[in-house]
Amino acid sequence: DSGVTQTPKHLITATGQRVTLRCSPRSGDLSVYWYQQSLDQGLQFLIQYYNGEERAKGNILERFSAQQFPDLHSELNLSSLELGDSALYFCASSVGEGSYTEAFFGQGTRLTVV
Amino acid sequence: GENVEQHPSTLSVQEGDSAVIKCTYSDSASNYFPWYKQELGKGPQLIIDIRSNVGEKKDQRIAVTLNKTAKHFSLHITETQPEDSAVYFCGAGRRALTFGSGTRLQVQP
Repeated sequence: DSGVTQTPKHLITATGQRVTLRCSPRSGDLSVYWYQQSLDQGLQFLIQYYNGEERAKGNILERFSAQQFPDLHSELNLSSLELGDSALYFCASSVGEGSYTEAFFGQGTRLTVV
Repeated sequence: GENVEQHPSTLSVQEGDSAVIKCTYSDSASNYFPWYKQELGKGPQLIIDIRSNVGEKKDQRIAVTLNKTAKHFSLHITETQPEDSAVYFCGAGRRALTFGSGTRLQVQP
């Protein structure tokens, strides 16, 4: 167990809908990262937050947004969902702001858009 | 931004043989290079990492080498075992990590 908790584990929704994925980082970790893993694809970096502030942005679609709350948990919001958004979404956390420290991954949320 | 290429995409070896996975990166500012192992149905787990001021690091059967001039780094697994079978990802970055596309390693008993 990495200490990173993601909910829900599975999510099935229809095209055009909006969903929220939740991540609780390890105790003491201030950075949260979101990654998308499509079928047979690598881990695509979406966005990073550090202590409530956005720190880095990857190839995140405008239909997607995220935030990190004062208690350090984070939510990834996906709207106007398309079939191609079906993927595993991972959250990772680390102590520091940069990538110099180990990032611990959660078990992921599997999103299926039908 | 950073771009990481990883090869091969699949690798099959016999138990006891060595396995080598290679990655190249594009951003010379990247200073951290971890390797993650992802087993079926689980999140990636760090197995070894190396920082830009080090050329080689070893941990039991696993070693990583880094060539900053050529911008490439490699994972070496010796004496492979069936439990090494998984998908391996290399990462590179300075702040948030960019990952390679993964290598599916199959160790045949």
